[in-house]
Amino acid sequence: QQQVKQSPQSLIVQKGGISIINCAYENTAFDYFPWYQQFPGKGPALLIAIRPDVSEKKEGRFTISFNKSAKQFSLHIMDSQPGDSATYFCAASGLYTGGFKTIFGAGTRLFVKA
Amino acid sequence: DAGVIQSPRHEVTEMGQEVTLRCKPISGHDYLFWYRQTMMRGLELLIYFNNNVPIDDSGMPEDRFSAKMPNASFSTLKIQPSEPRDSAVYFCASSTRDGTDTQYFGPGTRLTVL
Repeated sequence: QQQVKQSPQSLIVQKGGISIINCAYENTAFDYFPWYQQFPGKGPALLIAIRPDVSEKKEGRFTISFNKSAKQFSLHIMDSQPGDSATYFCAASGLYTGGFKTIFGAGTRLFVKA
Repeated sequence: DAGVIQSPRHEVTEMGQEVTLRCKPISGHDYLFWYRQTMMRGLELLIYFNNNVPIDDSGMPEDRFSAKMPNASFSTLKIQPSEPRDSAVYFCASSTRDGTDTQYFGPGTRLTVL
């Protein structure tokens, strides 16, 4: 089964706190793991992405941690701000016999309290 | 660049009617993707094109759904006949590569089938 399990479903964090969202995948053929951010009424936009040859990638306040053996990856938002309030989706992509597959997690609704 | 353009932004129709959603990808992007987003099923890949050719339509839910890409700057997703369970937000995205790179999403079309 090609699934990407994302947790938690929703998250409330105080301003300045750390937001952590976790994802787990099953298919070892996946080799690209992006995180998308979606604001209400907008399409998802790429936030940060990682490939399995590294265990961590940091861009500003956003960090992806990747554990290939456990088939898990997570998004950490440091110094969370009210403007970070959005829905976050993890995804996993990889080639298979028919082309490629991108499977999205169910999403995490983040609310950062001022 | 204007980004991915979708029209209409909102569509309300009655069951049994034909619905056509339109997408203009970012110029120079060889890949175009159609997604559907619902609360129950999240973000699902319906079909994707490479150089105007459909590569994988395994995500298309039924024969009532069809997609075309007559040229590099235009794609349509058609539902005929539409049903209430087709109500969702439909996103078009484009990329310079397959799913293993950044996908740029349009603003989406919110479809309501009464």
